[in-house]
Amino acid sequence: EIVLTQSPGTLSLSPGERATLSCRASQSIRRSYLAWYQQKPGQAPRLLIYVASRRATGIPDRFSGSGSGTDFTLTISRLEPEDFAVYYCQQYDSSPWTFGQGTKVEIK
Amino acid sequence: EVQLVESGGGLVQPGGSLRLSCAASGFTFTNYWMSWVRQAPGRKLEWVANINTDEGEGDFVDSLRGRFTISRDNAKSSVYLQMNSLRVEDTAVYYCARNGPADGDYYDYWGQGTLVTVSS
Repeated sequence: EIVLTQSPGTLSLSPGERATLSCRASQSIRRSYLAWYQQKPGQAPRLLIYVASRRATGIPDRFSGSGSGTDFTLTISRLEPEDFAVYYCQQYDSSPWTFGQGTKVEIK
Repeated sequence: EVQLVESGGGLVQPGGSLRLSCAASGFTFTNYWMSWVRQAPGRKLEWVANINTDEGEGDFVDSLRGRFTISRDNAKSSVYLQMNSLRVEDTAVYYCARNGPADGDYYDYWGQGTLVTVSS
């Protein structure tokens, strides 16, 4: 099973700042089958990025994904108030599909 | 508009059974694999199962194989999760999700979730 480790656990930033979230895999995700989701309290997750760098439909271009192999990054170029949430990465390259433990982006 | 609406959650005793349902609308159901993902209170997301488009094969996380069954009824645009021999650790919000149109098990639409509580 591929274990995904997200860092940091919590990111304290102000609106307008840049957020950089990391997702590291225990083994190579060869096809870059890595997705990112945003989840707000009491809500279902929302797909942001798939295949490591493709934005999902309707996702603003301030969200971008990058990386390959074992190291992946989600970048939010300028935080908007609605971006404060928990972010999860997920690999779907090797079954069982697994998620990271999440990074909480909170208002500083 | 794509909609996924789960139902069937509730309180059940250890060893009991529940059947979750997910009614889909707003897209051609037969074109998409479907999945269930769960989230225990305060915990990360966990993939549970998926099913292909043909009401046929489903795949499970190994720890649930043998206790849970996934099925779908394309005529009703619905997917189901039959959960047997439930344990306290199965307590979670269960989400129905649509697999994305590109290859692989990522999820582009999610239901609002249904809470399953296993407790005596």
